[in-house]
Amino acid sequence: GAVVSQHPSWVICKSGTSVKIECRSLDFQATTMFWYRQFPKQSLMLMATSNEGSKATYEQGVEKDKFLINHASLTLSTLTVTSAHPEDSSFYICSATRQGGQNTEAFFGQGTRLTVV
Amino acid sequence: AQTVTQSQPEMSVQEAETVTLSCTYDTSESDYYLFWYKQPPSRQMILVIRQEAYKQQNATENRFSVNFQKAAKSFSLKISDSQLGDAAMYFCAYRGAQGGSEKLVFGKGTKLTVNP
Repeated sequence: GAVVSQHPSWVICKSGTSVKIECRSLDFQATTMFWYRQFPKQSLMLMATSNEGSKATYEQGVEKDKFLINHASLTLSTLTVTSAHPEDSSFYICSATRQGGQNTEAFFGQGTRLTVV
Repeated sequence: AQTVTQSQPEMSVQEAETVTLSCTYDTSESDYYLFWYKQPPSRQMILVIRQEAYKQQNATENRFSVNFQKAAKSFSLKISDSQLGDAAMYFCAYRGAQGGSEKLVFGKGTKLTVNP
């Protein structure tokens, strides 16, 4: 099966600093990657859709200047949380869909637990 | 906009018994996909089963099966012979079929507990 690797699995950072999270498709090319945020005991909330070579599409209410997304290649998308604050502490998950065809399955990374202190 | 509703925040089942998780959705599209994902304590999202809306036959994957009622916009998951490893959060999800990059819309989830 397709593998999506997310790094780091967890990170602790100081308030005011920036943190970068990587999402890689290891054995397929991903046309589109999605970034989600998940609060404890809640569902996944889509933050943005990342398309290779173009600007990300952000969901309503998500600050694009705070959550910078870059999808520079067909196998890598990054999410940078800029000037992080404690309220940004959360679980972030990426997913990727395979390039080409009418693929219906999204493959998920293992998630990143961000704690801002 | 599409919405997915899971009306059971929590469910429990005895080991080896059968449990059904409910899911309803709202859409104006005629072609789409429906999924059930499992999220164990590790928080890795795992695809359990998927259903193409154009298929009348209900999908089945080993102990997991769905009851897809397109007219009623209902998509329930049945877990047979429940095992301790089935304990997890289960999310129902919808995806349009307009292209290859449609986003998933998730329900709020159902926490399944399996009692030994």
